[in-house]
This record gives sequence, structure tokens and C-alpha cells, in this order.
Amino acid sequence: VVMTQTPPSLSVAIGQSVSISCKSSQSLVASDKNTYLNWLLQSPGRSPKRLIYQVSKLDSGVPDRFSGSGSEKDFTLKISRVEAEDLGVYYCLQGTHLPRTFGGGTKLELK
Amino acid sequence: EVQVLESGGGLVQPGNSLKLSCATSGFTFSTAWMYWYRQFPEKRLEWVARIKAKSNNYATDYTESVKGRFTISRDDSKSSIYLQMNNLKEEDTAIYYCARTDYWGQGVMVTVSS
Repeated sequence: VVMTQTPPSLSVAIGQSVSISCKSSQSLVASDKNTYLNWLLQSPGRSPKRLIYQVSKLDSGVPDRFSGSGSEKDFTLKISRVEAEDLGVYYCLQGTHLPRTFGGGTKLELK
Repeated sequence: EVQVLESGGGLVQPGNSLKLSCATSGFTFSTAWMYWYRQFPEKRLEWVARIKAKSNNYATDYTESVKGRFTISRDDSKSSIYLQMNNLKEEDTAIYYCARTDYWGQGVMVTVSS
């Protein structure tokens, strides 16, 4: 499954809202009816950290300014009121099909 | 607190072998499905392998490029997983991450070069 993530980079001001798109080449609805689409953030010099799983469920400790939406093959990560700690590279990751595959990443930078 | 710590990386010549280890704590390891991922120098991420829990007969899966060369295993008594990498190629050069479904370790560098 090919995951196409756009845009490759975003330049934002603190407090601005942004959206990142991730489109899959196949439906990500699994046989159990769940959709295994995750969003991860890799902050500079750090390992990836999962923020959202199953399209829209926030991991523990993730601020509610992050939200995920979408279905089937089209997914979006929205960050409302960007803060400095949100900067880094965002990746989508599908876990419905093997091999698990990542989007190419979106680098979120300060304007 | 969940902890995941990889070790065993280093510089190795093409064709040689290396074994990565991943020690974990802070969660019920025996029921967790565990993963290896890697990040290439250009920052592209790739899933490498998965090992399921005992209840799933420790089933394993691999990305195509490592099938027949890499072996994932686990030792529930040590809350650890391993990645035996044989016949290494220059294109295996990457940071290797051990992960639970929701939590990644800090990674270990593997460089394959003559």
C-alpha cells in the first residue's frame, strides 16, 4: 500500500492551524472493520512518537489541538494553534495491510 | 513508565552479520506484539519485522527486502526482542528502532560499509 502524504513541508507561525493529508492506494478498512491509520511526530533528534491511532484516537498525553479524520483512503491530521513543541516531521503509517507502510513525511517548520 | 532500549548496532562489512537487542520494561511484554522499524539516511521510514505474542504462536512477518536474511525473535522471560541480521548489504544502513504498537525506542545505528 502506497501512502502519499502532502505537503512535504509546511511553514507556519505559532498559533496558526495546519492540515496534513495522507492518501492510501488501497482502502485501510480492515476485516475487523477498524481502520489502522496512525500519525506520528518525529521531533528534531528524537525517535518517532505516535500521536493518533485508528484515524482519530489520541494517544495518552497528546494535546487536543491535534485531531485526525478521514476514512477508507483519505485521511487528514489537523493541528489547531501550532506551538513550538509541535515542530518536526509528521508521518502517517498504515497498519491494516502488510507490509506496514509510511507516508513520506511532512516537515513542519516555523515561518 | 514504558522503556525500550536497543543495543548491538555498529559498523559491519557487507555480507557479515549483526544481532540487535531490545530490552523493555514498564508494560506486560508477554502479550505485546513487537516491531522493528528502520530509518534510512534520507529519513525515509520502513517497517522491518513484527513478532506476535505467545497467544498468536509468536508468528513473525517481514518486509520483502529482508526475508531470508533477517530473523526476529523474542524472549518473554527477559522482556526482550532481537533482530538477527545476516548477509548485510549497504542498503541496510539505517537507524533501527524497536517498538511496541504505540511506543518507539531511541534507535541504534547500523552501518554496512567496506
